[in-house]
Amino acid sequence: DAKTTQPPSMDCAEGRAANLPCNHSTISGNEYVYWYRQIHSQGPQYIIHGLKNNETNEMASLIITEDRKSSTLILPHATLRDTAVYYCTSQGGSEKLVFGKGTKLTVNP
Amino acid sequence: DAGVTQSPTHLIKTRGQQVTLRCSPKSGHDTVSWYQQALGQGPQFIFQYYEEEERQRGNFPDRFSGHQFPNYSSELNVNALLLGDSALYLCASSPTYWAASYEQYFGPGTRLTVT
Repeated sequence: DAKTTQPPSMDCAEGRAANLPCNHSTISGNEYVYWYRQIHSQGPQYIIHGLKNNETNEMASLIITEDRKSSTLILPHATLRDTAVYYCTSQGGSEKLVFGKGTKLTVNP
Repeated sequence: DAGVTQSPTHLIKTRGQQVTLRCSPKSGHDTVSWYQQALGQGPQFIFQYYEEEERQRGNFPDRFSGHQFPNYSSELNVNALLLGDSALYLCASSPTYWAASYEQYFGPGTRLTVT
């Protein structure tokens, strides 16, 4: 079973920030939070990961709460090409990834 | 720098047949994992290979087997195909098995249809 919970769907206006929440209340101390996205019929794409500090890369920002029980993925200026299913997972070391059903993000023009 | 590649792209098989899917990891990666993704579901972990050995296995029957070669490429074999095996099969590679953090890079997948 997935160790994370996400809303099934979200909408965002093009050009606005998309904030995707994830709950991982049972996360262990050595587990990282990972975000992937999957555009229709393609393989999942790695976005970002973090342990306890906030992280930013060219794709997105990851905000992890101090108690590490939840996180938010932020796409600062969403485009139509960001429409995808976004998966939040938690994993320690080389453990297997366990995917839930993710959040289907629709970016509207 | 080539990413993860998989072959074939699509495959149609008949119930009871056997199938072999292939994966070449991203350059510099030594660990390969396989996932099955049914329509409308998230990917489900099948198994992981490192140093030519199966290191972890998900909840899949023995009909699913794999192999990793010295060049880190990998095969997924499925015997006695069932209709329920129809899915997108994804291969993912990772930089190193022993890292504390472990992002995975996925290939485009092989779409298997069992009739």
